[in-house]
Amino acid sequence: EAAVTQSPRNKVAVTGGKVTLSCNQTNNHNNMYWYRQDTGHGLRLIHYSYGAGSTEKGDIPDGYKASRPSQENFSLILELATPSQTSVYFCASGDSSYEQYFGPGTRLTVL
Amino acid sequence: GDSVTQTEGQVALSEEDFLTIHCNYSASGYPALFWYVQYPGEGPQFLFRASRDKEKGSSRGFEATYDKGTTSFHLRKASVQESDSAVYYCALGPSGYNKLTFGKGTVLLVSP
Repeated sequence: EAAVTQSPRNKVAVTGGKVTLSCNQTNNHNNMYWYRQDTGHGLRLIHYSYGAGSTEKGDIPDGYKASRPSQENFSLILELATPSQTSVYFCASGDSSYEQYFGPGTRLTVL
Repeated sequence: GDSVTQTEGQVALSEEDFLTIHCNYSASGYPALFWYVQYPGEGPQFLFRASRDKEKGSSRGFEATYDKGTTSFHLRKASVQESDSAVYYCALGPSGYNKLTFGKGTVLLVSP
């Protein structure tokens, strides 16, 4: 059974609209992460969290917010979506060993 | 800041060929080093790690040795199969922080 799930799996949004990507993990890991994946850039860290109520900026946080209301859930919020945010987004969970467990990804298209 | 460089953007091989994907890193101290693999339509998954100089990590026939002198962690496999076709990511985890910095990835295409 999948331990990290993401919803939606595909999303089409309009420029200027609000988008929320959701992630749920059943690994009971303290750490959760949001990445985006783009050709030529690989995986880049947007936001991460060390536990419920905490969020930290990653390497490319501009234009994104994050929310960690519980151990299991971590959301990525695009308040004003732009076409440059068209990408595949991955959520991951991890513990202190650095090994991270990734979800299946969300393909976001901003028109 | 910390960075990971994967030299090859794409590698095309035939089954039973020898594979090398080059990974060099820049970081202070002794970061942990990782290889992740991503199959089509899936998220990346952990392959193996190494945490200190000269340590070898290995899994599924793949291996890499941590070399602090050359700041490298090159991925090797003696005989690739078509099922190894995937994207391979090298990553580093700076000591004291639970986050990873990934390279840009290398697409491996293996033909029968």
